Amino acid sequence: NAGVTQTPKFRVLKTGQSMTLLCAQDMNHEYMYWYRQDPGMGLRLIHYSVGEGTTAKGEVPDGYNVSRLKKQNFLLGLESAAPSQTSVYFCASSYGRVGETQYFGPGTRLLVL
Amino acid sequence: AQSVTQLGSHVSVSEGALVLLRCNYSSSVPPYLFWYVQYPNQGLQLLLKYTSAATLVKGINGFEAEFKKSETSFHLTKPSAHMSDAAEYFCAVSARGSTLGRLYFGRGTQLTVWP
Repeated sequence: NAGVTQTPKFRVLKTGQSMTLLCAQDMNHEYMYWYRQDPGMGLRLIHYSVGEGTTAKGEVPDGYNVSRLKKQNFLLGLESAAPSQTSVYFCASSYGRVGETQYFGPGTRLLVL
Repeated sequence: AQSVTQLGSHVSVSEGALVLLRCNYSSSVPPYLFWYVQYPNQGLQLLLKYTSAATLVKGINGFEAEFKKSETSFHLTKPSAHMSDAAEYFCAVSARGSTLGRLYFGRGTQLTVWP
């Protein structure tokens, strides 16, 4: 099993450009999450999904959109990138039951100039 | 919302010394508690978690953590540090009443191990 994979690993964008980050999991998990990690801030939840076709806002959703068309994939979109979105983005998945472990991908480093 | 405080953003120890990383939570009902480790340029990996069984939880790589309800703490320890333990460590909580299993993370503690 590959676990949780993320594409791309690294990307540089100019302000105003758009991009999509892809997360894929092969563990048949219902729940998937997108976090961003900034120095000294820990991980903050952007959006999450509790199943195919459903998404919801997390703690810092502004400037991002998500889609979950297939159970195994969770896409994070930036419509108009801003320098404040320079960060490391992590995807995670779990069975969703309370107390379950979340499994993380290797991350995507995004630099917005 | 749940809240997690990790005391000390940076901790330095010598190889072979005791490792102690502190985590306190704020919740009237004891939550589920997790410790994750992040090695440089990698994702997060679960070290251990507390659900509701034994208050002393053993994890991977010789780490353990003790849940203390009276102190609302879940400190991470390892008796003897190794160079390979150098990483960033995150404490996280998940509310028992939640149906989402959402995690709330602390700000992290960077562990440096000196030879």
